[in-house]
Amino acid sequence: GENVEQHPSTLSVQEGDSAVIKCTYSDSASNYFPWYKQELGKGPQLIIDIRSNVGEKKDQRIAVTLNKTAKHFSLHITETQPEDSAVYFCAASMKTSYDKVIFGPGTSLSVIP
Amino acid sequence: DVKVTQSSRYLVKRTGEKVFLECVQDMDHENMFWYRQDPGLGLRLIYFSYDVKMKEKGDIPEGYSVSREKKERFSLILESASTNQTSMYLCASSFRGSGYTFGSGTRLTVV
Repeated sequence: GENVEQHPSTLSVQEGDSAVIKCTYSDSASNYFPWYKQELGKGPQLIIDIRSNVGEKKDQRIAVTLNKTAKHFSLHITETQPEDSAVYFCAASMKTSYDKVIFGPGTSLSVIP
Repeated sequence: DVKVTQSSRYLVKRTGEKVFLECVQDMDHENMFWYRQDPGLGLRLIYFSYDVKMKEKGDIPEGYSVSREKKERFSLILESASTNQTSMYLCASSFRGSGYTFGSGTRLTVV
């Protein structure tokens, strides 16, 4: 089955700097890669996703890149702000009608004012 | 916005009790999921359902069962709670082609 690894497990950056979180997946049939942000005391929230027919996707300060050959995908956050502090999860799935995804272990991001 | 509501934020149960965790979504989502979240282990899938009365095992179904009698409600059942089931439980729903919408979670402590 699919296995998703995620690095680093913790990340501290100064406000205004960029943050990068990297994930790898094992199943070459995976074709959908969402990212979730979990703030303290809340459930994870979808922040961006990418499908295997696209190499990069941007949404304001957030971007995701996908390298299908290497089975890597990454989340980039630019101009970080304190409210970006949260746990971020990457995930991978084969997009079927069941929408089942496998999550990485998470990265705890701290943005220092 | 789609809302996923979990009935309890915090629960404390005794070992051996039968525990019910309830989840309700207010959009017409086909798929519903139960995950548990533990430090360092991320989110692990317990069970999911893609239609009423349909269920599929996830990666860690042992000790759990589920029920989906209505499309909007997906219940997780701990048949005989044990201390190793102390965890955060997250319910999610999705519509074909969309990402997940999660509830706020239920933190269960088994003593």
